[in-house]
Amino acid sequence: GAGVSQSPRYKVTKRGQDVALRCDPISGHVSLYWYRQALGQGPEFLTYFNYEAQQDKSGLPNDRFSAERPEGSISTLTIQRTEQRDSAMYRCASSWDGFNEQFFGPGTRLTVL
Amino acid sequence: AQSVTQLDSQVPVFEEAPVELRCNYSSSVSVYLFWYVQYPNQGLQLLLKYLSGSTLVKGINGFEAEFNKSQTSFHLRKPSVHISDTAEYFCAVSRGGNTPLVFGKGTRLSVIA
Repeated sequence: GAGVSQSPRYKVTKRGQDVALRCDPISGHVSLYWYRQALGQGPEFLTYFNYEAQQDKSGLPNDRFSAERPEGSISTLTIQRTEQRDSAMYRCASSWDGFNEQFFGPGTRLTVL
Repeated sequence: AQSVTQLDSQVPVFEEAPVELRCNYSSSVSVYLFWYVQYPNQGLQLLLKYLSGSTLVKGINGFEAEFNKSQTSFHLRKPSVHISDTAEYFCAVSRGGNTPLVFGKGTRLSVIA
């Protein structure tokens, strides 16, 4: 596609439910990153992949958060047993080369009631 | 570990006036530096980047930034702003290669007619 796409754009869920957020990177991009952005803050790193391999998941806040990229393209970020503190904008980015220019998607706004 | 400090959370400026958005970073290794812009309800867009070479970097929309290694700064400047420059601006740093970005908290630029 022309750019990074994310779905859904908005997600409202009740506390305790599981949610899955999808990221479709720019075709051919090797690396895919997940960030979380709270209101009034900059994006904070969660995890990233090179191809299908998860390279670093040190930013995932706890074991309710997981991510996968099974075929080295589309990625899913899953949050189990959501809590109100999980409410934020979740952003995905992809990059092609070692110059690390990351292209960002529009984000998914998650609201946990 | 790396960190980024954006010294001003909000900067109001009159149209056609110059502006400088300040960014300082901390890192024990060489870094790459970036400025991203986020327009309302849109994703992050790269304004400019410093990888190596000339310390004065020119980006899109008339913005430029200067890398100052001794002061560990990467301030963003524009000689004459437009209403359309109203947005949130994020400074970011990385170690290079396909590694995650570390963002500052952002500076909200408001251009007043």
